[in-house]
Amino acid sequence: DQQVKQNSPSLSVQEGRISILNCDYTNSMFDYFLWYKKYPAEGPTFLISISSIKDKNEDGRFTVFLNKSAKHLSLHIVPSQPGDSAVYFCAASGDSGYALNFGKGTSLLVTP
Amino acid sequence: GAGVSQSPSNKVTEKGKDVELRCDPISGHTALYWYRQRLGQGLEFLIYFQGNSAPDKSGLPSDRFSAERTGESVSTLTIQRTQQEDSAVYLCASTPGRISYNEQFFGPGTRLTVL
Repeated sequence: DQQVKQNSPSLSVQEGRISILNCDYTNSMFDYFLWYKKYPAEGPTFLISISSIKDKNEDGRFTVFLNKSAKHLSLHIVPSQPGDSAVYFCAASGDSGYALNFGKGTSLLVTP
Repeated sequence: GAGVSQSPSNKVTEKGKDVELRCDPISGHTALYWYRQRLGQGLEFLIYFQGNSAPDKSGLPSDRFSAERTGESVSTLTIQRTQQEDSAVYLCASTPGRISYNEQFFGPGTRLTVL
C-alpha cells in the first residue's frame, strides 16, 4: 500500500517560472519529510527536508511547505531552470526512524 | 571524497539463475540501506544495516532475497532463483548514523533484467 503519493507523474514549466511539485501521505506517524532529485542513470540526491514541527523550510530557490492537517507537502522551485529537469521523489520517515517511504516520483521538465 | 559505489551497473540474467549485487558505502558511514525501484514505481525499502546490530530485513519480498554486510563496509545483496518480477534497479544508500534525519546518500544503482 503506497503511503506516500505523488499523483502527478510529470510536469512541464517554462524557465523562470515557478515549479510546484505535490506530495500526499497517509501515515500520521511520519514526522520527517525529504525531497530527492534524480537524473537518469544516477542515484537520487538529497535536495531539501522538513521536520513535522515546521511548516516551511527554504534553501535558495527551493522551498518545502508542510500541511500536517491535510497530510500534504509541496516543493516550490523559483525560478525554475533547465538544469532542474529531473525526477523528484518525495520521501517520508517516522515509523522506524530510518527506512524511507518514497512516492513514485514526478518528472519535471523545464523548457527554455 | 568517494560516494557510494555499486557494481555491476547492469546485469542481465536468465530466470532461475542467482545474482549477487555489491555496494560500497561511503567510508565511515555506519548505516547501509538497500532499496528497489521497479519500473514506474517509487523506491521500496528492502533491508537496513546499522553497525554490528542485527539487520532489519522487514522489506525483503521473499526468502529468495538475502543480504550480508561485513562490519561497516561492503554489502552484497543476493537474489536466488531470479524471477522476471525481480527486474528492477537496485539502489544502495548509506548514512553516518542510524536515523534517516541524516540524508541518505545513494549509489547509482544496479539495473537488473531477468529474461
